[in-house]
Amino acid sequence: GNSVTQMEGPVTLSEEAFLTINCTYTATGYPSLFWYVQYPGEGLQLLLKATKADDKGSNKGFEATYRKETTSFHLEKGSVQVSDSAVYFCALSDGTNAGKSTFGDGTTLTVKP
Amino acid sequence: EAGVAQSPRYKIIEKRQSVAFWCNPISGHATLYWYQQILGQGPKLLIQFQNNGVVDDSQLPKDRFSAERLKGVDSTLKIQPAKLEDSAVYLCASSLGSNGYTFGSGTRLTVV
Repeated sequence: GNSVTQMEGPVTLSEEAFLTINCTYTATGYPSLFWYVQYPGEGLQLLLKATKADDKGSNKGFEATYRKETTSFHLEKGSVQVSDSAVYFCALSDGTNAGKSTFGDGTTLTVKP
Repeated sequence: EAGVAQSPRYKIIEKRQSVAFWCNPISGHATLYWYQQILGQGPKLLIQFQNNGVVDDSQLPKDRFSAERLKGVDSTLKIQPAKLEDSAVYLCASSLGSNGYTFGSGTRLTVV
């Protein structure tokens, strides 16, 4: 079956540091890939997505590139802010079941001033 | 556009009691999902509706959980009787196609 593996957290960075959160997946066919963010006390929000190999999703300074050869979708940001502190979830949708998604277990990011 | 509405926001019940959660998806979104998120884990799908029909309920513990989607719009998820291990956040999401979900704020259930 489909699965998503994220790097274990928590991750603690200083403001303006470079961020990478690793995500690898196992899926049949050609899934769409997503990053969701969950701020404290809130629901999950779609951060970015990529629907085919070599696509780059981007939003709010975050980027992730769909790498089919390494089955990866790592999240990056060049300079994090305190307001980026949240839990980040990688997810995939295999497109065969009307968009049903499988999620990773999340990575908690804390950014210190 | 209005988001996905869920209620209640919090609920505390004793084990063996029953509880119900309500969700109103984004207007026009045909697909509705209920996910269970246990602390420290990612969301796990419980049930998926397409309009008012069930697409996938393979992970729903049917001996205690039930769900319905009225007229292809609102949905209710029920647990009866609740167990301690049901303590979690119950998330409702809706989508249009395969472009990602819009989640509600969730209901945090504590079973004591």
